[in-house]
Amino acid sequence: LAKTTQPISMDSYEGQEVNITCSHNNIATNDYITWYQQFPSQGPRFIIQGYKTKVTNEVASLFIPADRKSSTLSLPRVSLSDTAVYYCLVLRGSARQLTFGSGTQLTVLP
Amino acid sequence: EPEVTQTPSHQVTQMGQEVILRCVPISNHLYFYWYRQILGQKVEFLVSFYNNEISEKSEIFDDQFSVERPDGSNFTLKIRSTKLEDSAMYFCASSEAWTGQETQYFGPGTRLLVL
Repeated sequence: LAKTTQPISMDSYEGQEVNITCSHNNIATNDYITWYQQFPSQGPRFIIQGYKTKVTNEVASLFIPADRKSSTLSLPRVSLSDTAVYYCLVLRGSARQLTFGSGTQLTVLP
Repeated sequence: EPEVTQTPSHQVTQMGQEVILRCVPISNHLYFYWYRQILGQKVEFLVSFYNNEISEKSEIFDDQFSVERPDGSNFTLKIRSTKLEDSAMYFCASSEAWTGQETQYFGPGTRLLVL
């Protein structure tokens, strides 16, 4: 499985755009990139998934460069309620499991 | 929006006792999973289940663990003889299929404390 590396923590202020970058140097051709969010004492929640270029939904955008060795989750205009751990995962089609790393603890300050 | 539910939300048990954690996956989903998260640690995969049998399991999922879909709606995780180190949050998840692109939807978790 492709190993992912992302910052341990980030701080931001309300209303700012937050970009969290994840590196996955040994991503394989058929792998997808997925991001999950987890609040304390809750289950992880799917945010966004992509294969290449840019994906946008109502919550976030995901930017993936052509070499796919990294990806950036972009959260527009964060609020205090966006304080959570954000996980970058690489999904391999043959594996029926999600492999979570340590994630990035995002703290949004007033 | 449909969601995965889990019961109980909290469970306290004595070491050596059996516990059963229950989950109701999203109704049209075909793949079911259990994960656990020890306090302050990563979310860890335990087992995946499809068509009434285990698809994959991790090293954590040893003989003390078992899973079952006793009826058309419930999915259970049984821990036969609990140990102190089984104390964790246990999350159930489900997905429509598994093509490498399917989203897994997680439940709110059961916090298990083994004394």
